[in-house]
Amino acid sequence: GESVGLHLPTLSVQEGDNSIINCAYSNSASDYFIWYKQESGKGPQFIIDIRSNMDKRQGQRVTVLLNKTVKHLSLQIAATQPGDSAVYFCAEDGMDSSYKLIFGSGTRLLVRP
Amino acid sequence: EAGVTQSPTHLIKTRGQQATLRCSPISGHTSVYWYQQALGLGLQFLLWYDEGEERNRGNFPPRFSGRQFPNYSSELNVNALELEDSALYLCASSLVPSLGEQYFGPGTRLTVT
Repeated sequence: GESVGLHLPTLSVQEGDNSIINCAYSNSASDYFIWYKQESGKGPQFIIDIRSNMDKRQGQRVTVLLNKTVKHLSLQIAATQPGDSAVYFCAEDGMDSSYKLIFGSGTRLLVRP
Repeated sequence: EAGVTQSPTHLIKTRGQQATLRCSPISGHTSVYWYQQALGLGLQFLLWYDEGEERNRGNFPPRFSGRQFPNYSSELNVNALELEDSALYLCASSLVPSLGEQYFGPGTRLTVT
């Protein structure tokens, strides 16, 4: 599993601005990716997913971009709101047919009013 | 519909003791997944149960074990507790084995002193 240090990277944005959260994934053969949101005291909550045969997928106020060349995933949040403040994790398919998710280290999003 | 529930919310144990954590999946869900979220780290896959059987385990020592009951609830046992076992333990469930449809509970915070 990952071991990425004690301090979460933090992104601070002004309410109403767009947010971009980035993630580098580990396995070039990964077929499926998910973004989760985790608020304080709660478990992760599914936001959006994307399969490796796509470059972009849009949801409500969120867009996920996948760049397989550099193994990079990003989550774009439009018109960021205070309720978007949370830790965001990307996760990838564990690729061993076991329904195991491999999570990234997370990014804390702080929305300034 | 009730979500995934976990008990207890907090658990304090001393080194060498055993801890038992419980998870009740969403009604009708047959797969249960356990993850460990140590402070400052991402989630790491621990165990997956489906239809009462252990289907896969992550890179954790054998003192981490569990089971799934006929009603699909699950128990995670950690024997011979070590200080580094202090973490948030998250349980997720899915209707069928799934990557993107894992619904997480709020977690049990285990503190080992």
